[in-house]
Amino acid sequence: DQQVKQNSPSLSVQEGRISILNCDYTNSMFDYFLWYKKYPAEGPTFLISISSIKDKNEDGRFTVFLNKSAKHLSLHIVPSQPGDSAVYFCAASPEGTDKLIFGTGTRLQVFP
Amino acid sequence: EAQVTQNPRYLITVTGKKLTVTCSQNMNHEYMSWYRQDPGLGLRQIYYSMNVEVTDKGDVPEGYKVSRKEKRNFPLILESPSPNQTSLYFCATEGREGRTGELFFGEGSRLTVL
Repeated sequence: DQQVKQNSPSLSVQEGRISILNCDYTNSMFDYFLWYKKYPAEGPTFLISISSIKDKNEDGRFTVFLNKSAKHLSLHIVPSQPGDSAVYFCAASPEGTDKLIFGTGTRLQVFP
Repeated sequence: EAQVTQNPRYLITVTGKKLTVTCSQNMNHEYMSWYRQDPGLGLRQIYYSMNVEVTDKGDVPEGYKVSRKEKRNFPLILESPSPNQTSLYFCATEGREGRTGELFFGEGSRLTVL
């Protein structure tokens, strides 16, 4: 049972436009959410996080939005750059734990 | 430079031949864990360790062992590998100065079991 779902395996966006990566979760006990980025032949790297007490967190070109009622979070990248081409994983942590549950990943390709 | 180092990076082996994937970190982190990445399944936790001599099962521990005798090292042991353990493995660490979920991953070890 996949508790954290990324329903789009891939996404292609033109350079300079907005990239929106989506993530849905089923467990209402999740209270902390993160995004990781992974380049080929490298390990994932932390990108941005958000606590359930917020609905938005911004870091430069990256913004994460959380809609608790819909159990949905999204990552916006504006403007998208070719160097953003990577696989993006969302992850969620249940309240009171240090456990992370990862989604299946979305491959983003930013073309010139 | 903060590093999580895994070895080997690539390995092809045969069913039943014991192998160990090493993981070493230089960040003095207490928490270490192992994940496997498989197509369509994302990253799944195998085992984790909160501190030296403290280990616990993750979501997919079957067929794996770990040990944590030193803070910096957290080897993953496959006593009798099987083809369904063919996967990309990642070691990760996290500092515990507050709950961040910010894991530092190694570069990965691609294992093929024939």
